Amino acid sequence: LAKTTQPISMDSYEGQEVNITCSHNNIATNDYITWYQQFPSQGPRFIIQGYKTKVTNEVASLFIPADRKSSTLSLPRVSLSDTAVYYCLVGARMYSGGGADGLTFGKGTHLIIQP
Amino acid sequence: DTGVSQDPRHKITKRGQNVTFRCDPISEHNRLYWYRQTLGQGPEFLTYFQNEAQLEKSRLLSDRFSAERPKGSFSTLEIQRTEQGDSAMYLCASSSPGTTYEQYFGPGTRLTVT
Repeated sequence: LAKTTQPISMDSYEGQEVNITCSHNNIATNDYITWYQQFPSQGPRFIIQGYKTKVTNEVASLFIPADRKSSTLSLPRVSLSDTAVYYCLVGARMYSGGGADGLTFGKGTHLIIQP
Repeated sequence: DTGVSQDPRHKITKRGQNVTFRCDPISEHNRLYWYRQTLGQGPEFLTYFQNEAQLEKSRLLSDRFSAERPKGSFSTLEIQRTEQGDSAMYLCASSSPGTTYEQYFGPGTRLTVT
């Protein structure tokens, strides 16, 4: 089971780029890295997933170095509405034989965006 | 909008009572997950279904908790003999085949045990 470590909280300002790093030193060969966003009183929302190098979608980018022992979620030009908790998950896809161990959200990173 | 729905949204019950929650996943999703979340913590995995089969249960899930998905569509989560420690947000999520970690979550059911 690949355990993840994230900062408990981060602050930034509107219009800035925010990078949240997640450490997963024991990541296994079959493990994927997934990030979720959660607002108060709502369920988490899938943001992005990757295996290696860089993945980009309309919301964020995910940078994964060659050793895959960490990953960085990058949010470009944040706004006040990006204030939320961000979770990093690591685990193998179940259809590949991975179990539910990867569905461990941890405490996440509480990102606060100020005007 | 045909997202994941949960019912009820809020439930207050007295200790020792049984409660049942319902989750309706996105219609084409064959996988359904239940989580529990307490204040300041991330969601905690409870159990998951693929179609009607319950494939995995967390070791943290006590015998008072049971989940079903009888026809591979909606699911119910029952808690028997509720305790104050069961007070939490119960989240349901679903995903399509091959996308384990791209889950779509419902709004949750907030349970308060008095």
